[in-house]
Amino acid sequence: GENVEQHPSTLSVQEGDSAVIKCTYSDSASNYFPWYKQELGKRPQLIIDIRSNVGEKKDQRIAVTLNKTAKHFSLHITETQPEDSAVYFCAARDAGGGNKLTFGTGTQLKVEL
Amino acid sequence: GAVVSQHPSWVICKSGTSVKIECRSLDFQATTMFWYRQFPKQSLMLMATSNEGSKATYEQGVEKDKFLINHASLTLSTLTVTSAHPEDSSFYICSAKTGLTNTEAFFGQGTRLTVV
Repeated sequence: GENVEQHPSTLSVQEGDSAVIKCTYSDSASNYFPWYKQELGKRPQLIIDIRSNVGEKKDQRIAVTLNKTAKHFSLHITETQPEDSAVYFCAARDAGGGNKLTFGTGTQLKVEL
Repeated sequence: GAVVSQHPSWVICKSGTSVKIECRSLDFQATTMFWYRQFPKQSLMLMATSNEGSKATYEQGVEKDKFLINHASLTLSTLTVTSAHPEDSSFYICSAKTGLTNTEAFFGQGTRLTVV
């Protein structure tokens, strides 16, 4: 089955700096890669996603890059703000595997003033 | 985005009792629903996948007789934790998606289960 690894587990940045979170996946059949933001005790919220036919996608301060050959994808947050502080999860989905998502282990992002 | 409602948001039960958690898709037909468990400071671990009208598919290591899943309609799936024990205390989250390919799944707000 799919295995998703995520690094770093914790990330502390100064407000206004950029934050980068990296994930690798094992199953080359995976074709959909969402990123979720989860605040304590709440549901994961989709912040951006990318499909395997695209190498990069951007939405305001958030961008995701995908390298299919290397089987890794990254989340980039620019001009970080305190409200960006949360746990971020990457995930990978194999359309042929029942559409189930396999999540990374999460990154606790803390944006300090 | 689509709305998935999960109830209850939190529940406390005694050891040995059963607890039922509901997951409803409010504005779309959910062909597939997923149930996850999340322990504190850990990732979401898929427990099972349920397709409307079919038996749920459980992930390895998840006891199907302990975690009963019913997906009897296109808008409702239930997870029943039977004979709950303190180690079952966790955050349980459902997600639902349509039968169309390449569509995202939407998460419920989660249920905090505490077994005392």
